[in-house]
Amino acid sequence: AQKVTQAQTEISVVEKEDVTLDCVYETRDTTYYLFWYKQPPSGELVFLIRRNSFDEQNEISGRYSWNFQKSTSSFNFTITASQVVDSAVYFCALSEREYGNKLVFGAGTILRVKS
Amino acid sequence: ETGVTQSPTHLIKTRGQQVTLRCSSQSGHNTVSWYQQALGQGPQFIFQYYREEENGRGNFPPRFSGLQFPNYSSELNVNALELDDSALYLCASRPPGGPYGYTFGSGTRLTVV
Repeated sequence: AQKVTQAQTEISVVEKEDVTLDCVYETRDTTYYLFWYKQPPSGELVFLIRRNSFDEQNEISGRYSWNFQKSTSSFNFTITASQVVDSAVYFCALSEREYGNKLVFGAGTILRVKS
Repeated sequence: ETGVTQSPTHLIKTRGQQVTLRCSSQSGHNTVSWYQQALGQGPQFIFQYYREEENGRGNFPPRFSGLQFPNYSSELNVNALELDDSALYLCASRPPGGPYGYTFGSGTRLTVV
């Protein structure tokens, strides 16, 4: 079964704080892909990162970083020095080659960054 | 042409009616997927089209149907609308090959009354 769990429903931080969004996934496939998307109030899902199951290297892109650990089936997302513009809903998603690469999303984490 | 465009942005329909939502994908993106996002939830996969044929479907009844056209546009049709169909409907497209980052449209907000 494919499943993505984002246990944090909502997180509030003050600007410049670091924040980590958790994502835990379940899959029986050995080849899979993990994604993070940002959904601002306008509604569109903005692609942030894709990681395949064979690449456990952590990645940093500006203030964003991702920690992929297959041993714990987690793919966590950290925003360093958060800004008000980071306020949005963040979704973690899983895609399995066997299932035609459809995306299975978590329930999302609402991030509120206060100035 | 860049991005994914969806129309209309908002729509109000009455229970029992039929609705057609439209999506215009990026040129070359021959795979298009539709997702339903209820308020406060993550998007749920409805179905996917590749080269104008359905090649994957989520747990949605047959009254949800779709079409994909050669010009990279697509439609989502919903018959016999129910109140629970009220949601944001998102279209996503990607180029051929691996599961690259899907490009999503801004969605159509459907309200069934």
